[in-house]
Amino acid sequence: KAGVTQTPRYLIKTRGQQVTLSCSPISGHRSVSWYQQTPGQGLQFLFEYFSETQRNKGNFPGRFSGRQFSNSRSEMNVSTLELGDSALYLCASSFQPGTNEQYFGPGTRLTVT
Amino acid sequence: GQNIDQPTEMTATEGAIVQINCTYQTSGFNGLFWYQQHAGEAPTFLSYNVLDGLEEKGRFSSFLSRSKGYSYLLLKELQMKDSASYLCAASSWTGNMLTFGGGTRLMVKP
Repeated sequence: KAGVTQTPRYLIKTRGQQVTLSCSPISGHRSVSWYQQTPGQGLQFLFEYFSETQRNKGNFPGRFSGRQFSNSRSEMNVSTLELGDSALYLCASSFQPGTNEQYFGPGTRLTVT
Repeated sequence: GQNIDQPTEMTATEGAIVQINCTYQTSGFNGLFWYQQHAGEAPTFLSYNVLDGLEEKGRFSSFLSRSKGYSYLLLKELQMKDSASYLCAASSWTGNMLTFGGGTRLMVKP
């Protein structure tokens, strides 16, 4: 069974631009969560989707948004990029909310210059 | 609020045993995850405790005390490849939102 895939793996953007990141969960998994990881703040929860609905949202500005499609694939978008948005963005999938294990994808390394 | 504390760094010797502690204060607490993360890689799942007590999985064991807001990860027969960051994370009963601690960087020396 293939793991969680994220595209692209690396991305360089300029301040003020916008970016879209993609996550394909493990086959059969319907819950997708997004996290931001930085050296200073560690891993922080962005949002969680299940059955195309956002269930939870972390404490991030409205520039960060996401969505989930009927095939459970998810995208997150960051508009008006700031230097502080440089981070590793991780996607985690699980069968459904509240299940035991969440599996992380390899992440997308975003650099904002 | 949400607060999870774990030591920043630990050093241990190959073949030894090390215990990484984690204390948490989170609302709507459901269970406690431990993840391993090697530099430049994604976190990989190690264990998930919902009930009090010790759960053993090979060289790794995890313990939870809900009344004390305390967990630990025990690594036995340390190997060089165990050098990594170990992340403690609390899950909420409302869904899959995980609140992570800052991670413990473990260095295993020969």
